[in-house]
Amino acid sequence: DVKVTQSSRYLVKRTGEKVFLECVQDMDHENMFWYRQDPGLGLRLIYFSYDVKMKEKGDIPEGYSVSREKKERFSLILESASTNQTSMYLCASSPGQRNIYEQYFGPGTRLTVT
Amino acid sequence: QKEVEQDPGPLSVPEGAIVSLNCTYSNSAFQYFMWYRQYSRKGPELLMYTYSSGNKEDGRFTAQVDKSSKYISLFIRDSQPSDSATYLCAMEGGNNRLAFGKGNQVVVIP
Repeated sequence: DVKVTQSSRYLVKRTGEKVFLECVQDMDHENMFWYRQDPGLGLRLIYFSYDVKMKEKGDIPEGYSVSREKKERFSLILESASTNQTSMYLCASSPGQRNIYEQYFGPGTRLTVT
Repeated sequence: QKEVEQDPGPLSVPEGAIVSLNCTYSNSAFQYFMWYRQYSRKGPELLMYTYSSGNKEDGRFTAQVDKSSKYISLFIRDSQPSDSATYLCAMEGGNNRLAFGKGNQVVVIP
């Protein structure tokens, strides 16, 4: 079974703090994704990566950056957290370019910024 | 117009009923059509996918795609309380990303 793990289930941070969300997958998948999920807005793509050290902006990259130094690990960074970044953050991975549709999600990190 | 439209519901049905969910879309380039299921406080999991038009059946679940109408459906037969979840449609059309619907909450009442 593919396993995608995220470093924290719940996180509370203060406005202005730098926040790191970590995601690890154990199936040697090429692609990794970061989404945020908000009521009424659904899942929105923040960034994705199709290879080590490669990244592409998704639909809402502002205020976020990412890092992928190893194939299995994809980090999301909030440079200076703001209250409007309070959300559920979901990481996902998929096998390769031909299998984008087959995404495996982690359990999510519920981030609250106060 | 959003790329993918999905009525968020919620939808409550008695156990054993047929659940019918659907999404409409605007992008003709979409080729892969997926349904993800998300239980409360969990990440989504891929339930079924269909390539191009047609039907696909997996146990009690049937996915239908009508590309001419830009309309996809998911049917759950003999619904069970364990089917209570949020169902998200998603589509992919060659740009290496998925377009998701907002999700449809389903409650199956015993």
